[in-house]
Amino acid sequence: QVQLQESGPGLVKPSETLSITCSVSGGSSSTLYWSWIRQPPGKGLEWIGYISFSGSTNYNPSLTSRVTISQDTSTNQFSLRLNSVTTADTAVYYCARGVARYSAFDIWGQGTMVTVSS
Amino acid sequence: EIVLTQSPGTLSLSPGETATLSCRASQSVWKNSLAWYQQKPGQAPRLLIYDASSRATGIPDRVRGSGSGTDFTLTISRLQPEDFAVFYCQQYGESPRTFGQGTKVEIK
Repeated sequence: QVQLQESGPGLVKPSETLSITCSVSGGSSSTLYWSWIRQPPGKGLEWIGYISFSGSTNYNPSLTSRVTISQDTSTNQFSLRLNSVTTADTAVYYCARGVARYSAFDIWGQGTMVTVSS
Repeated sequence: EIVLTQSPGTLSLSPGETATLSCRASQSVWKNSLAWYQQKPGQAPRLLIYDASSRATGIPDRVRGSGSGTDFTLTISRLQPEDFAVFYCQQYGESPRTFGQGTKVEIK
């Protein structure tokens, strides 16, 4: 049973870089597709981007200038970096799995709350 | 990008009734690549339906997805107490992947 677990800083200052890691257990992060999705408090879901098993990435155009998704197959983890954050980036950040390039997200992490505040 | 519009915003129903949720896309969804998720407070979304009408693992058959092209529907029959939540549709046929704004199904 594949499980995902996010770990993040909790609090980030405006203009700094947000970094979150997703640990994959019960399976390998070197296969399939791995996405980041966020949800501001009380609001809906926004897809940030994905990284594939081959290391290719695809980002939401609304965030592409600030986002980097990377993977470390040796530790079965993948990561999100979002730079120049503002209060609008305050959200719960989820990692999720897609079994193919065009597929739904069948497994989600529990999410990690990141607050951007000075 | 494809904009997904869900209706109604809130649905007030009693246990045992049937919930009918709508998701309309601003353009045709490639290969009906549309999913439905359920989200309860403080929890991550859970996949219910993929490819517009296929149930995810462990989802009971009283949960049904239908539709094609730009119009999709999620129907939940015989509502159980655990069904009351927020439901999102999502398209994955093109990038960026997009979600609807959600429909809340609440106890009447």
